[in-house]
Amino acid sequence: SAVISQKPSRDICQRGTSLTIQCQVDSQVTMMFWYRQQPGQSLTLIATANQGSEATYESGFVIDKFPISRPNLTFSTLTVSNMSPEDSSIYLCSVRDSGQETQYFGPGTRLLVL
Amino acid sequence: RKEVEQDPGPFNVPEGATVAFNCTYSNSASQSFFWYRQDCRKEPKLLMSVYSSGNEDGRFTAQLNRASQYISLLIRDSKLSDSATYLCVVNSPTGFQKLVFGTGTRLLVSP
Repeated sequence: SAVISQKPSRDICQRGTSLTIQCQVDSQVTMMFWYRQQPGQSLTLIATANQGSEATYESGFVIDKFPISRPNLTFSTLTVSNMSPEDSSIYLCSVRDSGQETQYFGPGTRLLVL
Repeated sequence: RKEVEQDPGPFNVPEGATVAFNCTYSNSASQSFFWYRQDCRKEPKLLMSVYSSGNEDGRFTAQLNRASQYISLLIRDSKLSDSATYLCVVNSPTGFQKLVFGTGTRLLVSP
């Protein structure tokens, strides 16, 4: 299975600032995703990170708020922009290879916005 | 209606008990089904895929009923270490075949 790391593992941020979360995979993968898990809730897909092109965002999520980069097949970043306390959540990177059903998750980034 | 619905629980059971969770999904075109396990403050991890014929992995049995659009997970001889949240996951057969997660069912196994 793919080994996924995320940085930072946690952060406390002031409202109005931005935080960039990094996701690194130990092997090339076709698909990378970013999820959010708010306290006591299940996972919600933010976007699919596409290598070399703009990410595909789910309903309710926009590029201005959550810009995503994916420069290659092993790395992606998610930025949470102009943060508010409502953005306090766990942000999870996830990967899946083409032809495979199994999807793996990174350890998550715990974000608290004050 | 939510795409994937689960009873949030918690299910409180003693060690050694048998416990079953159900999950319903709304999109009849979904083709792939999974149970993930999420421990407190950890990321979700795949427990097992669910196949039409049903499948078993040790103490865990997963079943799929396409006609009724529900999926079940049976845990036999519960262990303390089975305490976790169990997420029912279904693929959305559009676009990137994204996964849709249920809200999870919390299981607490006590001594």
